[in-house]
Amino acid sequence: DAKTTQPNSMESNEEEPVHLPCNHSTISGTDYIHWYRQLPSQGPEYVIHGLTSNVNNRMASLAIAEDRKSSTLILHRATLRDAAVYYCILGGGSGGGADGLTFGKGTHLIIQP
Amino acid sequence: DSGVTQTPKHLITATGQRVTLRCSPRSGDLSVYWYQQSLDQGLQFLIQYYNGEERAKGNILERFSAQQFPDLHSELNLSSLELGDSALYFCASSVGFGGNPALDTQYFGPGTRLTVL
Repeated sequence: DAKTTQPNSMESNEEEPVHLPCNHSTISGTDYIHWYRQLPSQGPEYVIHGLTSNVNNRMASLAIAEDRKSSTLILHRATLRDAAVYYCILGGGSGGGADGLTFGKGTHLIIQP
Repeated sequence: DSGVTQTPKHLITATGQRVTLRCSPRSGDLSVYWYQQSLDQGLQFLIQYYNGEERAKGNILERFSAQQFPDLHSELNLSSLELGDSALYFCASSVGFGGNPALDTQYFGPGTRLTVL
């Protein structure tokens, strides 16, 4: 399975943008990039996914490098509620199956008031 | 609220015992996934069912088994419990089983915390 590399932790201030990086140099041509997050004492929560083009939704934006070897999750204006562990996950590849997600250690995002 | 429900919320039992965890997927979702989250192993995929059939297997121990019923709810059975089985167990559901990430987005329940004493 293609792997992802994320920083262990990042810190940001409330109401400022946050850029969470993810490296995935061995990504296959059919792998989608998914982001999930896990708030304290809760189950993981879907954030966004993309394949090649940048994507926006109500929660965040996903910027994907042209060579697809890295991507960045952008929270435009962080709030205290965004403090969570963010996971960058590759999936939906050549098998096409919705297999179980392979969670790494993720990035622990700390938001300072 | 993801729409996925799990019962019970907490379970305390002894080594050697057997427990059953229950999951009801979101309305309309046909796939159910089970995950285990422990401090040392992180979040690990155990098994997936789609419309009653086993679809994919992850790091599931032989002592563990699961099934999905005709009403699409799922149960995870854990037997001969060991101290190391203490963990959070999450269930997730999705519409599809693969091929379309928009349909394969997984929605997680609040989890069942299992403590084995």
